[in-house]
Formats: sequence, structure tokens, C-alpha cells
Amino acid sequence: GAGVSQTPSNKVTEKGKYVELRCDPISGHTALYWYRQSLGQGPEFLIYFQGTGAADDSGLPNDRFFAVRPEGSVSTLKIQRTERGDSAVYLCASSPGPTTGEQYFGPGTRLTVT
Amino acid sequence: GDSVTQMEGPVTLSEEAFLTINCTYTATGYPSLFWYVQYPGEGLQLLLKATKADDKGSNKGFEATYRKETTSFHLEKGSVQVSDSAVYFCALRTSGNNRLAFGKGNQVVVIP
Repeated sequence: GAGVSQTPSNKVTEKGKYVELRCDPISGHTALYWYRQSLGQGPEFLIYFQGTGAADDSGLPNDRFFAVRPEGSVSTLKIQRTERGDSAVYLCASSPGPTTGEQYFGPGTRLTVT
Repeated sequence: GDSVTQMEGPVTLSEEAFLTINCTYTATGYPSLFWYVQYPGEGLQLLLKATKADDKGSNKGFEATYRKETTSFHLEKGSVQVSDSAVYFCALRTSGNNRLAFGKGNQVVVIP
């Protein structure tokens, strides 16, 4: 079946601009996660959704970052007033439910802020 | 907080050599432990996992044993192939917490 998909695959934006990154989880997966991976580092947790609600947003670095999942499926990560330090690969993952540890990852969106 | 430490630097080895990648962790409670692999141009994939002490996870010839006494989950493969060239990440998840905490990853390059 279809895996986790993310769009766009690459995004280049200017400092100060607003960007939206989209994630389509595996059909039927209720849990959705966003991570950020900087060059040479492992993924770092940003936010976790169970259904439509953000169950844990403690990894969001500041209030410029926001994510939604209005219908419990597709999620959008929104970054306001982008900074060069936001450049990274943004990964989305989904899992069948909140208690399973196996998360299925998408290919990521590479964000470059110039 | 929860954290994972992987050995420093890339690993380069010849085909059919023995591979070990070290992973140690710090966590409250009893975490589940994972190895993820990222092949060139692909997304992260779960390679293997172990959910309690002394469990051994295995897949594709790779193995890792959950060692509570040494807080380790080292990855091993007896005879690597060129196709094993990838970046390997150790990760943990503690009970009551849905996030994964990852190590920095190790680039493995297998030369023919």
C-alpha cells in the first residue's frame, strides 16, 4: 500500500517568508509525528498528533512553528518568518495507534532558507 | 532527559567484513529500542527493535540485543554487503511517551 508522502520534496524560500509543508500519512494511521533533521544529526521530535489534536507539541522550537491536522489525516507544518537556522529536512511519520512504537517515515521535505 | 549516543564517525569496511555499531542510551523507565536505516535517496526504515531487556531484534542478517545492565543496543552483522551501505540510527521510546529519541547516526560504507 501507499506509504507516508510529503510535499514538496524540496522548498527554497527567502528569510522572513512563510512556508507550509504537507504530510499524508498511511491510510488508517491515527498517530502522526513531525521531526526535523539537521545535517549530520539524527531526527529531532517536533510534535505528535493523535487524531485531530496535538497530544505533544513540546518539541516545537518556538512560536514561529505551528502544525495542524484538522480532519485527522493530512497534516500541515507551518513556519512563519523563516530563518536560515530553520534549514533542515522535515520528516513526517505515522503509526497505527498511540501505543505502537513502530513509526513509518516519509521521504522528507528539504527546506532551504536563503 | 532521554538520549541515545552512537559511536563517532563514519564506518568504512570491505564486503564480507563484520560490522558493529555501538549504541548506548539514557532513559527513565524501560524504553523500547530501535535501529532505523536510511538508504541513499530513501526515507528512514525500521530495521529491527527490542522492547524489553535481553530481547534480541533481528532482520536482514542484522542483530541487536537489549542490554539493560550496560544500557546498550549495539548493532551487528556478520558479513556485510555493498547493499548495506546506508546511514544507521539508534533510537528509543519510553513508555508513556510517543516520541522517538534518535542518535546522530552512523554512515556505513561497504566497499567491494
